[in-house]
Amino acid sequence: EDQVTQSPEALRLQEGESSSLNCSYTVSGLRGLFWYRQDPGKGPEFLFTLYSAGEEKEKERLKATLTKKESFLHITAPKPEDSATYLCAVQADYGQNFVFGPGTRLSVLP
Amino acid sequence: DADVTQTPRNRITKTGKRIMLECSQTKGHDRMYWYRQDPGLGLRLIYYSFDVKDINKGEISDGYSVSRQAQAKFSLSLESAIPNQTALYFCATGYAGNQPQHFGDGTRLSIL
Repeated sequence: EDQVTQSPEALRLQEGESSSLNCSYTVSGLRGLFWYRQDPGKGPEFLFTLYSAGEEKEKERLKATLTKKESFLHITAPKPEDSATYLCAVQADYGQNFVFGPGTRLSVLP
Repeated sequence: DADVTQTPRNRITKTGKRIMLECSQTKGHDRMYWYRQDPGLGLRLIYYSFDVKDINKGEISDGYSVSRQAQAKFSLSLESAIPNQTALYFCATGYAGNQPQHFGDGTRLSIL
């Protein structure tokens, strides 16, 4: 069974304090790993897709990386507006549908 | 205007009532999905549709039904609502293959 776990469940950072969020997955084969940001009262907003181990994607203060078993979302010098829940999802080789992790709730304090 | 629009945004109703949640999209995607989100459980797939004539059950379809009225419209029904169906419900759309899904802003449903 495909599974996705995320850690930590919640993370509190001071503004400017860099850190990383983890997404671990077990699938038979990976077609894609997707990172989303979700603000309160909103739907998930797409951030990145990673397709193969070693791949990296960047957007502003966020950088996503992928290995064969996990992905990291690195946040460099975060700002309060980066506060949100970050979700990852995987799409398995044989399947069509996404499996989502439970998310990491990030709070960045000024 | 939002690319994926869900109505209503909030709904409070009573046990046993029939409820319909609606989703429309302007992204031109063939595929549409219904998810529910519960604290600590992540997004779970209820139903999905790859085109107007194709409807498939997801992980947690019991107690739900769907209708794909057009390429751009996909509705979710709870025939007889029960309190444990209280959750956030999201509609998503996407292309075939390993492309991201795009979400609406959700419906917060409370069943008393």
